Parts: sequence; C-alpha cells; structure tokens
Amino acid sequence: KQEVTQIPAALSVPEGENLVLNCSFTDSAIYNLQWFRQDPGKGLTSLLLIQSSQREQTSGRLNASLDKSSGRSTLYIAASQPGDSATYLCAVSDNQAGTALIFGKGTTLSVSS
Amino acid sequence: GAGVSQSPRYKVAKRGQDVALRCDPISGHVSLFWYQQALGQGPEFLTYFQNEAQLDKSGLPSDRFFAERPEGSVSTLKIQRTQQEDSAVYLCASSLFRGLLTGELFFGEGSRLTVL
Repeated sequence: KQEVTQIPAALSVPEGENLVLNCSFTDSAIYNLQWFRQDPGKGLTSLLLIQSSQREQTSGRLNASLDKSSGRSTLYIAASQPGDSATYLCAVSDNQAGTALIFGKGTTLSVSS
Repeated sequence: GAGVSQSPRYKVAKRGQDVALRCDPISGHVSLFWYQQALGQGPEFLTYFQNEAQLDKSGLPSDRFFAERPEGSVSTLKIQRTQQEDSAVYLCASSLFRGLLTGELFFGEGSRLTVL
C-alpha cells in the first residue's frame, strides 16, 4: 500500500531564505505527483503537477522535482516571503490507489518578516 | 461559478443526527472527488464520480456514509447517525478530465463537521 511521508513536519525560516520541502513515497509506480498549498481553514490549492515521465516543474519561485526510482520529490521555494506561510501537501496517484490521491501529512511552513 | 463551492462551511451536529454536505464543482468538470481531512492529517479519499456514475467508493468508512451526483453536476455527501469520529473537514474536488492521469485537481474550501 502506497505511503507518503513529508519531512520536516514544520519549518520556520526568516524572510528571504531559500528552502526545500521533502516528500517520499514507498511505491515508485506512480502516475503523477502534485504539490498543494493549504492555508488555515481553507481548501487546497494546486501548485505544481508532475507527470511520471517528467523530472521537474517550475512556477514562479517554486520548483518541484521528481525522482521516481528513488521515490522522492522536493519542493524548492526561492526567496521565501511571509505570504508563503501555509501547509504544503504532497500527493501521488498510482495504479493501486485507483482514483484516489494519497496524501502526506504536510509540512507547515512559517516565514517571519 | 469560478471555483468549487461547498456548503455549509461549518456544521455542528449532535451525535446520532444525519447531515448532508453539498458540493458544486466547476462547471463542465467530469470528475468529482470527496475527501475527509482530520485535524493535523492529510486528506483521505472517500469516493469518486465520473459524471453521474459513482465509480469508486472504496474510501467510505462505513455504510453510514452515502454520496450521490444524480445529474452529473452537484454532489451531496450524506452521513447518517453521526458519531464523534466523523468530526473532520470534508473536502470536495473536481477535475476537467476523467480520473487522475492528467489534469489538476481543484478543491473547495471544505465543510467542517463537528459532532458533539
């Protein structure tokens, strides 16, 4: 059964720092991987979607990489801002899970000004 | 509407009451998903609709949970005889395409259910 783990669970950084959030998954046979952002009391906003055939995706200050063979993905945030403070969730879809996305528990990021 | 809309945003129920949670997906979206998110956890899959057909309900935790999407648009998640362990945020998501092989998933803000 696919399991998704995110490290660290929480992270605090000063404004301007570059940072990396980690996601690992136990079964490398995935179709795609998505990174989401969740603000307190809100739903999820999709940040980046990486298909299994892709190595990385970029959107503004965000860059997500995917290494299927090792079961890892990283989300790189450049020049962090207080507005980046949120919980970041990683999720994978695979054949075994069918139509379900399997989520990690998230990394809660706090960026101080 | 422009996004996925869920109602009510907050619901407090006494143990044993029935509740109904509504989801209005983005117009034209084929796929609709329900997820349950407990405090401090990632969302967990409940059920999936492709248009009006419920193709996967493997995540529904018990037969007290029932979902429908009769006209392939609005969906309702019904929980009968609520229990305290049902307290969670219920998230609805929609996608333009079938399944999860392509395309992004768009989430609503969720319905927070508290069972006393």
